Amino acid sequence: SQTIHQWPATLVQPVGSPLSLECTVEGTSNPNLYWYRQAAGRGLQLLFYSVGIGQISSEVPQNLSASRPQDRQFILSSKKLLLSDSGFYLCASQGAGGLGEQYFGPGTRLTVT
Amino acid sequence: KQEVTQIPAALSVPEGENLVLNCSFTDSAIYNLQWFRQDPGKGLTSLLLIQSSQREQTSGRLNASLDKSSGRSTLYIAASQPGDSATYLCAVRDSSNTGKLIFGQGTTLQVKP
Repeated sequence: SQTIHQWPATLVQPVGSPLSLECTVEGTSNPNLYWYRQAAGRGLQLLFYSVGIGQISSEVPQNLSASRPQDRQFILSSKKLLLSDSGFYLCASQGAGGLGEQYFGPGTRLTVT
Repeated sequence: KQEVTQIPAALSVPEGENLVLNCSFTDSAIYNLQWFRQDPGKGLTSLLLIQSSQREQTSGRLNASLDKSSGRSTLYIAASQPGDSATYLCAVRDSSNTGKLIFGQGTTLQVKP
């Protein structure tokens, strides 16, 4: 099975500051990669997905961007954080072929103050 | 647009009881359905995945069923234990090659000793 690493685990940032969250994947090649956000009291919302290096699709218009510089590396960024960006960010991976099961990382708790 | 609903939102049961969690979805054209467990402040752990052609999957005390035509899935937990306390999420994957998951809001389960 796959192992998903995310860092940092927690982050407290002031409004207007930049953001960079990183996700790396072990145990598979050429996976589909996903960024989800889970806001307090709300379900998981898909933010971005990538089917290959440099290929990024955005699901919702927002203050965030994503990049995939390597096959098993996925980065979530912002130039200027908003209060509404606070939440729990989860990276997920779906290996090529197989049953299509998605595996999730441990998440990053972001608090924008 | 696919919508996923989970009922009930919260459930509290005494230890040893058998229980059923419900998940419904509006579009039956799914590729698979996945049940996850989430402990507070943690990432998602995959429990069971049911392909669209399957009727059920079992893992230990867990059994998940799928009735695609009626847009329903159930997660059956036998002989519940306090360690089963967590939030349970169901997610459906559409038939596209993007592998995107649409999540329900989850059922928060508390098993009392």
